[in-house]
Amino acid sequence: AQSVTQLGSHVSVSEGALVLLRCNYSSSVPPYLFWYVQYPNQGLQLLLKYTSAATLVKGINGFEAEFKKSETSFHLTKPSAHMSDAAEYFCAVTHSGAGSYQLTFGKGTKLSVIP
Amino acid sequence: GAGVSQSPRYKVAKRGQDVALRCDPISGHVSLFWYQQALGQGPEFLTYFQNEAQLDKSGLPSDRFFAERPEGSVSTLKIQRTQQEDSAVYLCASSLSTSGGNEQFFGPGTRLTVL
Repeated sequence: AQSVTQLGSHVSVSEGALVLLRCNYSSSVPPYLFWYVQYPNQGLQLLLKYTSAATLVKGINGFEAEFKKSETSFHLTKPSAHMSDAAEYFCAVTHSGAGSYQLTFGKGTKLSVIP
Repeated sequence: GAGVSQSPRYKVAKRGQDVALRCDPISGHVSLFWYQQALGQGPEFLTYFQNEAQLDKSGLPSDRFFAERPEGSVSTLKIQRTQQEDSAVYLCASSLSTSGGNEQFFGPGTRLTVL
């Protein structure tokens, strides 16, 4: 079984400020972890993924995330927020074991960027 | 290159009607997933295909939901006798292989409204 918890359904930051979106996961087997972004009326776009290589993962648009096994966390960060970062962000987990590889998503965090 | 496409983008149905939602995955992608995204929630897994074989349908909410992918490419999600609780965005995703670490590419979704 696997699950994802995203702390904070809505986060507001000022333009230029640090973005921190929190994600904690639960998985009975080694996980693969993903962050997706969703703009209004659009599908999900992959920002970055962790697949058991480097624990610090860099993604598109200046985002990065660090896998911390001891904390079962995979928080998303960006040093300086831009207006175009306003969107909804989803953390998701799948697994490296046998079987189907459906993603289990968190409930999402809506990021607002204040000018 | 073309991404995942879905049609129709919007569908309004009267309660009790049958609907069919189409997904065209990226050419050559072996894996295909359907997810349901209720308003304000993260996507939830419905079903998974590997080529034409439906390997996991554990997420289908009732026997009114049926999915097929007869030739291993285009997939159709059919909902019979629609109910108001079926109102959601239905997302299709495809992936190049069956590995859990592979990125799932999402379509824009079909927004279903049941009146």
